[in-house]
Amino acid sequence: EAQVTQNPRYLITVTGKKLTVTCSQNMNHEYMSWYRQDPGLGLRQIYYSMNVEVTDKGDVPEGYKVSRKEKRNFPLILESPSPNQTSLYFCASSLSTGAGGYTFGSGTRLTVV
Amino acid sequence: AQSVTQLDSQVPVFEEAPVELRCNYSSSVSVYLFWYVQYPNQGLQLLLKYLSGSTLVESINGFEAEFNKSQTSFHLRKPSVHISDTAEYFCAVSDRLSGGYQKVTFGTGTKLQVIP
Repeated sequence: EAQVTQNPRYLITVTGKKLTVTCSQNMNHEYMSWYRQDPGLGLRQIYYSMNVEVTDKGDVPEGYKVSRKEKRNFPLILESPSPNQTSLYFCASSLSTGAGGYTFGSGTRLTVV
Repeated sequence: AQSVTQLDSQVPVFEEAPVELRCNYSSSVSVYLFWYVQYPNQGLQLLLKYLSGSTLVESINGFEAEFNKSQTSFHLRKPSVHISDTAEYFCAVSDRLSGGYQKVTFGTGTKLQVIP
């Protein structure tokens, strides 16, 4: 089944403790992206990647890092999480940008206390 | 820069009644337009998209949207809603450019609540 897989689905952590949210897609998509979803704000892009070793900042990149060492994986790293990073996070992939439309993962609900 | 406006944050509607979810966009170039649906505790799923050609596009579950260039709108409609349509709906826009990365901008979402 074609899909984007995120782990974990739920995560509660403490301020300052480094964490990684994994994302993997099995569709050979070149484009991958991370979004955060907050009530009343919709989806805001954190980082995106056009291909292996090619990443760039989205609208809200502060406090996040990404890497794209393999085409299928695009992990999101929070080096020192803070409470304002409590959110619902989505990974998405696309065969092409613009017209393609994204396939989304099921989401990771992160709580930083 | 592109932007998307979904003025209605929540739309309650009785089962079997028609519904329209409004979406307006702005962009300095031609665009692609999308509607995504998010069911509770799930990720977003692509519902339908307008790329070119006919301005009326349809989904497999009875939704349709019409691209109106003069009104810069892409409203989503369904003539008769079902309980299972209860979800949050997101409108999205992407610039129609060749080459490079075309950013997708999402609206803030409209929660459709179907009342039995």
